[in-house]
Amino acid sequence: EAGVAQSPRYKIIEKRQSVAFWCNPISGHATLYWYQQILGQGPKLLIQFQNNGVVDDSQLPKDRFSAERLKGVDSTLKIQPAKLEDSAVYLCASVIGNEQFFGPGTRLTVL
Amino acid sequence: SQKIEQNSEALNIQEGKTATLTCNYTNYSPAYLQWYRQDPGRGPVFLLLIRENEKEKRKERLKVTFDTTLKQSLFHITASQPADSATYLCALYGGSQGNLIFGKGTKLSVKP
Repeated sequence: EAGVAQSPRYKIIEKRQSVAFWCNPISGHATLYWYQQILGQGPKLLIQFQNNGVVDDSQLPKDRFSAERLKGVDSTLKIQPAKLEDSAVYLCASVIGNEQFFGPGTRLTVL
Repeated sequence: SQKIEQNSEALNIQEGKTATLTCNYTNYSPAYLQWYRQDPGRGPVFLLLIRENEKEKRKERLKVTFDTTLKQSLFHITASQPADSATYLCALYGGSQGNLIFGKGTKLSVKP
């Protein structure tokens, strides 16, 4: 069974630029999460989707972050404009039952 | 405020010994608790889930306990091996947000 795919794996941008991350969850998994993991910390939830609807985006900085999941499959997370403190690994996870399956993440460096 | 603490950032042990990692929480009533393993450059991998009404769960060399009175979970790896070296994250589900809240993790190093 294929796992959760994410791209790109690495991205370096300058502050105030924009960036987008892509996630393809495991086939058939209706629930999808985006997390931010800062070095030395645990993953922090940004947004939860159920199919193509948003369930929880209370911790998403909506002034600069946006996410969508068109057709309830792939998802994209965008940051515009990026700040230095956005440097982190962005993880996507899809869920079956109570188990979350994580992708490898995208490491973002903002200079 | 809700808080999750994994008691040490790093734990170094000798091969063959039992590794014990601790996860404490406050101001929280989780429905269940999970443990994940994370290797460098990779996403976390699910290991075990234990519910609030369960005291202990085992899977091969792994054992998890959950004490809701002490608000603590212990994660044990018996007969540890260098391949067990990784960061281990605890995560709680439940409370006001209804999603998984992760601790910072404990980096385990098993020396041959």
